Amino acid sequence: GQNIDQPTEMTATEGAIVQINCTYQTSGFNGLFWYQQHAGEAPTFLSYNVLDGLEEKGRFSSFLSRSKGYSYLLLKELQMKDSASYLCAVRATGAGSYQLTFGKGTKLSVIP
Amino acid sequence: ETGVTQTPRHLVMGMTNKKSLKCEQHLGHNAMYWYKQSAKKPLELMFVYNFKEQTENNSVPSRFSPECPNSSHLFLHLHTLQPEDSALYLCASSQDTVTGGTGQPQHFGDGTRLSIL
Repeated sequence: GQNIDQPTEMTATEGAIVQINCTYQTSGFNGLFWYQQHAGEAPTFLSYNVLDGLEEKGRFSSFLSRSKGYSYLLLKELQMKDSASYLCAVRATGAGSYQLTFGKGTKLSVIP
Repeated sequence: ETGVTQTPRHLVMGMTNKKSLKCEQHLGHNAMYWYKQSAKKPLELMFVYNFKEQTENNSVPSRFSPECPNSSHLFLHLHTLQPEDSALYLCASSQDTVTGGTGQPQHFGDGTRLSIL
């Protein structure tokens, strides 16, 4: 089975840095995705990690440790528009490799 | 992003009605997905189609019936739904993981907000 945990809510200040953690226990691992979802809108792809280490993409970075079953999404220079839910999702292996298992999402509120 | 389009955006129906949700993708993908998103729950995968063939059905009740006539279109036929089926239904598409590799992200539509009276 798959289990993915991430904090329910976080609040951070405009211009600051915030780290959103995700831990997972899965029967197989074939990569981890982060998505951003604004209220009432579609989830949009942010990052993909399959090897250990840090992937940087502008203000957003994502880190993976497969041995620890742990990832984080780092958002720098926070802007008000970053207020959204951030979804962590893990891809399985084998017959279920089309399937992404999602966490419940972390609702981030950016305040002035 | 208009790569994945879902209609209608909102739907209110009674428990005895029959309706269909439509999804269309213009990204040249060959895998399509239906998800259910309820408040305070993770996105739940319902169905997966790869090259028009259903590859996964995650124990979804038979009152939900998917149809994939071609790689660009996906339908979800609804009949005799229950109040607990009220949710946001999201369609997504991606390249398949065999030809495209496991790093292919799924691209989502804006969803259909379904309310069952």
